[in-house]
Parts: sequence; C-alpha cells; structure tokens
Amino acid sequence: DARVTQTPRHKVTEMGQEVTMRCQPILGHNTVFWYRQTMMQGLELLAYFRNRAPLDDSGMPKDRFSAEMPDATLATLKIQPSEPRDSAVYFCASGYWESWEEFEKLFFGSGTQLSVL
Amino acid sequence: GENVEQHPSTLSVQEGDSAVIKCTYSDSASNYFPWYKQELGKRPQLIIDIRSNVGEKKDQRIAVTLNKTAKHFSLHITETQPEDSAVYFCAARDASKIIFGSGTRLSIRP
Repeated sequence: DARVTQTPRHKVTEMGQEVTMRCQPILGHNTVFWYRQTMMQGLELLAYFRNRAPLDDSGMPKDRFSAEMPDATLATLKIQPSEPRDSAVYFCASGYWESWEEFEKLFFGSGTQLSVL
Repeated sequence: GENVEQHPSTLSVQEGDSAVIKCTYSDSASNYFPWYKQELGKRPQLIIDIRSNVGEKKDQRIAVTLNKTAKHFSLHITETQPEDSAVYFCAARDASKIIFGSGTRLSIRP
C-alpha cells in the first residue's frame, strides 16, 4: 500500500534553531503540497510543486521558510530561524495531476509535529 | 485566489441522527470538491469527492451535494455512528491547487 513518508514524526527544538522536514511522495506522483495544521487555521497551504517546479509559495513567511524539491523522491521544508509561533503539525501530500480535467486524490503523510520552545 | 469557508466549526449529534457540514467557495472556476476525514492523531484521508459537472454523489451513509450557482457544497452523514467522530475538512480545487476549509469537529453522542 503506497504511502507518503514524512520525517521526523516529532520535533522539539528551541527558538532560533533550524528545522528541516522531509517528505517522500508516492512513486509516480508529480504534485507535492505542504500544509500546516493549527487549531485555529485548519489546513493552511504553504507551498506546492508540480514536476519538481515550485508553483506557489505565497502561503509561506519568506524570510524564514523555504521549500525545495531536489529530486522527484524528496521534498523539504526548512524553517530558519524557528519561532514558537511555528509550532504546528506540518503535512506533506502528493497526487498525480496531469491537466485541468485529470486529477487523482491527494494522499497525506503522517505529518511532523513541531514544537518550538 | 480561492477561499473556502466551512461551518460549523464544531458539531455534536446523537448517535443515529444525521450530520450536515456546509462549505462555500469563492472561485467560480473551481471544479473539484473533496472531503477529508481526520481521526484524532491521524492523517487526513479522502472520504468522498464531487466534480462540478455533478450535483450530488452518494456512498453508503455519506453524500455530498453541490450548488454551483450559489457556490455551496455540503456533506451529509446519515445514521451516525461512534466511528464518525473526527474532524472533517472540505476543499476546493482551482486552476492548480487545493484549498481547505477550517474544519468541523464532529462528535457523536452515545
């Protein structure tokens, strides 16, 4: 059963430290999303990629967040420096998206629970 | 860009009763509307979806309706059971991305 793999599952760090979250999308999927889940904001879109190209990262605080996809099997989300308000669950999701009419459902990873002290 | 509003934020129903969650979207070009269920501590998982060329879709006890004119869509769960307790998210897809609502925490009372 194919799954999106996220690491680490949990991360506790101190304010000011760099945090890197990793995602391995399902083999063959060409679209990767990063979402942040907080109690108040639901699932907030941070950035997404199609065929490894970044399409939109307007949801991310640019001064501290960066998202990359160095190859088709790895997407990363970095926070530097981290702040307590970044504490949340970060989800990666992947899907196959060919055209406006062709779309398959999103598969979510298990998430990274981030706590910044 | 697309904006999705979801109501209510919390919902408590008696086991066996029906539950209805409502969403509105802003971008008339959106053409795909999935619903995801997230159990406590788990990842969101797709439970049902509807495309803009369909007005209603049903799968056993769950159904989704879409009103394109009003830009409304709703999730209906009938004969609710304890395992229906979860957070439910609606979403809308515009030209290239999927935007989620803020979620509804559904509790089923025994």
